[in-house]
Amino acid sequence: AQKVTQAQTEISVVEKEDVTLDCVYETRDTTYYLFWYKQPPSGELVFLIRRNSFDEQNEISGRYSWNFQKSTSSFNFTITASQVVDSAVYFCASPSLIKAAGNKLTFGGGTRVLVKP
Amino acid sequence: GAGVSQSPRYKVAKRGQDVALRCDPISGHVSLFWYQQALGQGPEFLTYFQNEAQLDKSGLPSDRFFAERPEGSVSTLKIQRTQQEDSAVYLCASSSRSRLGYISTDTQYFGPGTRLTVL
Repeated sequence: AQKVTQAQTEISVVEKEDVTLDCVYETRDTTYYLFWYKQPPSGELVFLIRRNSFDEQNEISGRYSWNFQKSTSSFNFTITASQVVDSAVYFCASPSLIKAAGNKLTFGGGTRVLVKP
Repeated sequence: GAGVSQSPRYKVAKRGQDVALRCDPISGHVSLFWYQQALGQGPEFLTYFQNEAQLDKSGLPSDRFFAERPEGSVSTLKIQRTQQEDSAVYLCASSSRSRLGYISTDTQYFGPGTRLTVL
């Protein structure tokens, strides 16, 4: 995608609440890919999920789920029953499919999630 | 190793000094990327290698930035005559790619980053 937007800069919740992070993308490609990464306070970007534009099903992995909506160009991420360990910055990203550029990622600005006990 | 490693984890430099940041990608990963992450922002692309070939350096902010990967594994990002605006976290990522020229969307795996502070 050419542009990725995460409108929420920070979300604060109490433990066990659900939290949904928004990601909106802009692309001229007919086939594209989207990623979510987690960046805990330690700083390392941790891969969470990769989604292809031609996949039909939404993903669920434990307490994490993702809702991909082509009609609204959104790829939202929900953490169910949040835990303190979920506190981190979450990034939505998409690769460029220009051949010479490899698959360099364009990131959104990130959403900081703070889960309070 | 099991993951991408970077060294040093922290670097403090005086303005005008040269610095070198190292990245050890996941063994066998052909593609290697450098990103710069300013405080409170998402990472931004700097440069990309496929094996030893630097195929894209469009994100390097100035000619003071130079990257190399001479043997197609370890990479070094060098910043000459550092400036305060160079202060950031520098992230390295690697991914697999099956053959030269193939557009791969393989997942990029990131290292812990090097936090550079220029005084």
